[in-house]
Amino acid sequence: DGGITQSPKYLFRKEGQNVTLSCEQNLNHDAMYWYRQDPGQGLRLIYYSQIVNDFQKGDIAEGYSVSREKKESFPLTVTSAQKNPTAFYLCASSLFTSQGLASPLHFGNGTRLTVT
Amino acid sequence: AQSVSQHNHHVILSEAASLELGCNYSYGGTVNLFWYVQYPGQHLQLLLKYFSGDPLVKGIKGFEAEFIKSKFSFNLRKPSVQWSDTAEYFCAVTKGNFGNEKLTFGTGTRLTIIP
Repeated sequence: DGGITQSPKYLFRKEGQNVTLSCEQNLNHDAMYWYRQDPGQGLRLIYYSQIVNDFQKGDIAEGYSVSREKKESFPLTVTSAQKNPTAFYLCASSLFTSQGLASPLHFGNGTRLTVT
Repeated sequence: AQSVSQHNHHVILSEAASLELGCNYSYGGTVNLFWYVQYPGQHLQLLLKYFSGDPLVKGIKGFEAEFIKSKFSFNLRKPSVQWSDTAEYFCAVTKGNFGNEKLTFGTGTRLTIIP
């Protein structure tokens, strides 16, 4: 079955430590995305990548970094510079269309990060 | 900046009741509209989408949504809900000539169906 795998499901870190969240997809999608979900707020885009070896900042990229060395993988690092890192993180992928149409997103199950 | 409003934060209904969840957006041009749903313990998934054409869109599990351009709305409806519809529902909007990088989500509506 094709899908998106995020690991781990729960992650705990001490303040000041960097932490990397994993996201793997076997849907053969070109585009991948990282969102952050906080209570009472909609999903907010952190970073996205439309092609291997290229990625762009989303609306709330400060304190985060990503890489896209392989089509299947889009790891997110939450750095110590992120002032409020405790949140639920969702990875998604979609087809990329040159016309710019928003192809439906496929989501992973998310990683809940707690930083104390 | 574009915004999406879902005014109902938590809706509680009995089984067989009719459902309408509101979604309003602020952008005045061509839009692509989506409803996503997250069932308990499952990942977010697409419920239905509107790009163009018939403003009444049918999705999975008996859901439908109507795009009313004059009201900047894309409300989700179901004539008779089931206990299994308990979930969180998110409306999302992007400008018509942009992809997911410009997708704006609403804050979500939690729907609880009482058997």
